[in-house]
Amino acid sequence: AQSVTQLGSHVSVSEGALVLLRCNYSSSVPPYLFWYVQYPNQGLQLLLKYTTGATLVKGINGFEAEFKKSETSFHLTKPSAHMSDAAEYFCAVSGADYKLSFGAGTTVTVRA
Amino acid sequence: NAGVMQNPRHLVRRRGQEARLRCSPMKGHSHVYWYRQLPEEGLKFMVYLQKENIIDESGMPKERFSAEFPKEGPSILRIQQVVRGDSAAYFCASSPLQGPQETQYFGPGTRLLVL
Repeated sequence: AQSVTQLGSHVSVSEGALVLLRCNYSSSVPPYLFWYVQYPNQGLQLLLKYTTGATLVKGINGFEAEFKKSETSFHLTKPSAHMSDAAEYFCAVSGADYKLSFGAGTTVTVRA
Repeated sequence: NAGVMQNPRHLVRRRGQEARLRCSPMKGHSHVYWYRQLPEEGLKFMVYLQKENIIDESGMPKERFSAEFPKEGPSILRIQQVVRGDSAAYFCASSPLQGPQETQYFGPGTRLLVL
């Protein structure tokens, strides 16, 4: 079985500051890892995913995440926050099948 | 290429009524998944369907909930005799292929409120 823990339900950053969203996973098989973003009243949009290969994954809108097997982590970062980054972010894991297991989400607010 | 479409976007029902949620997958996608998001929680898997077949309904409540994906038309998630605890956002996703590494593309969701 797979599960995800997202540390921090709310994160507030200043515009231009580093965004760091934490995700730890548990999986009995090699995991596939995803980060999705949800803007208000919209569906989830894929930011990036890790399948195999390079552990540093680059996504859309300047986001990237690093898969660290030894730490069972897949933290999401962006060097410089923009006002348009205000949204809810979900980390998800899949293992042997198609079922995505999601974390509870982290809401990001960006201060001007 | 239009994304995943869901309607209605918002649905209000009184206890005991039926709710029907519709999902049209992206063009060329034959795999459909339904997830439910309760307040302050992440999405939880409910059911996986291909055309005319329910492949996995392990996340669906045993009673009152059913899903279908007919040969023609959208996938339907049906909730009979709704209760207040059914209030949630219901998301549909689709993918062109099936597998743990495949990206699932999500629709905007249907927000169900049961009075």
